[in-house]
Amino acid sequence: EAGVAQSPRYKIIEKRQSVAFWCNPISGHATLYWYQQILGQGPKLLIQFQNNGVVDDSQLPKDRFSAERLKGVDSTLKIQPAKLEDSAVYLCASSFRPPGAGNTIYFGEGSWLTVV
Amino acid sequence: AQSVTQPDIHITVSEGASLELRCNYSYGATPYLFWYVQSPGQGLQLLLKYFSGDTLVQGIKGFEAEFKRSQSSFNLRKPSVHWSDAAEYFCAVSNFGNEKLTFGTGTRLTIIP
Repeated sequence: EAGVAQSPRYKIIEKRQSVAFWCNPISGHATLYWYQQILGQGPKLLIQFQNNGVVDDSQLPKDRFSAERLKGVDSTLKIQPAKLEDSAVYLCASSFRPPGAGNTIYFGEGSWLTVV
Repeated sequence: AQSVTQPDIHITVSEGASLELRCNYSYGATPYLFWYVQSPGQGLQLLLKYFSGDTLVQGIKGFEAEFKRSQSSFNLRKPSVHWSDAAEYFCAVSNFGNEKLTFGTGTRLTIIP
């Protein structure tokens, strides 16, 4: 079974530029997550989708971050304009069933962003 | 709000020795608890999870964890570590209903020959 696919794996941009990350979840997984992992910290949830609807985006900095999941499959996370503090690994994850009793969440390998 | 504390930032263990990584959580109701491992440059892999029932949970790669409600702990153990176990380990908690994982800050494990 293919895992969660993410691209690009690595990206270096200058501050104030924009960047977009793409995620393809495991086939059939209805729930998709984007996490931000800053060096030395645990991952922090940015946004959670159920099919193509947003379940939780309370920690997404909406002035610069946006995400969409058209057609309830692939998702794109965009940052515009980027700040130095956005340097992090952006992890996409998915789970099969809707949020409920402890469904297993599967993570991709992450997209590493460096803002200079 | 739920939270997770991993008090050890870095642990060094000799190959073949036993391992215990500590995790304490804060959550009002019965939590769902997880341990993930992250190798350098890789994503997170689930080692094991606890939802209910037997408080001793077996996972992959020979790991186990024990849920102790009285101590609000979910420590990860392995009787004999291998060099390939060197990685970052994250404890996480979620609540029933939304699968929102709250992670600890992680413990980096170094294995010495």
